[in-house]
Amino acid sequence: QQPVQSPQAVILREGEDAVINCSSSKALYSVHWYRQKHGEAPVFLMILLKGGEQKGHEKISASFNEKKQQSSLYLTASQLSYSGTYFCGTAYNTDKLIFGTGTRLQVFP
Amino acid sequence: NAGVTQTPKFRILKIGQSMTLQCTQDMNHNYMYWYRQDPGMGLKLIYYSVGAGITDKGEVPNGYNVSRSTTEDFPLRLELAAPSQTSVYFCASSSTGGEGLRGYTFGSGTRLTVV
Repeated sequence: QQPVQSPQAVILREGEDAVINCSSSKALYSVHWYRQKHGEAPVFLMILLKGGEQKGHEKISASFNEKKQQSSLYLTASQLSYSGTYFCGTAYNTDKLIFGTGTRLQVFP
Repeated sequence: NAGVTQTPKFRILKIGQSMTLQCTQDMNHNYMYWYRQDPGMGLKLIYYSVGAGITDKGEVPNGYNVSRSTTEDFPLRLELAAPSQTSVYFCASSSTGGEGLRGYTFGSGTRLTVV
């Protein structure tokens, strides 16, 4: 079952922060986050496992609330290079990901 | 390392024609996947494989077939192409550890148009 992402689109100025959410109606084993630039393949950002852990990657971090079956991606002090579409990928077991609907992020100078 | 290699990069097919999209990886990953991405949309899983000789259907398998005779290769076959199969096709691979799936490595994609 496809996870739902919100918001669908975000417009930011450089230096501003954003939060992207990913919700599932089924229990999650893990959540992955990817970024896709226009005309390119998705690129892996990070993976979160059960247990509510939070991970960070430079100024991009994420959390996973296992009980609520939700994950959030936090982008702080956004840079122009953060522009793209962000997808969460949810694993309900250990063999495949089902990707979310995507959130388009645009960062302007 | 080349990672995941897809060929061709672009293809135009006529309705009713068939073709095979090639995907090969050199990372010794057991898990391989085929996704399609329609314009402005997310990724839909077509088929996947957890190892040589093992394949399973994803969310949108109709009109496609796969095989996995080696760890490296995972070709996707389109039979009787239809306009609804116009899309960008991505192949991906992943390894697993005690924590489950690792991050996917995607190929650069095949842009297919059916006319």
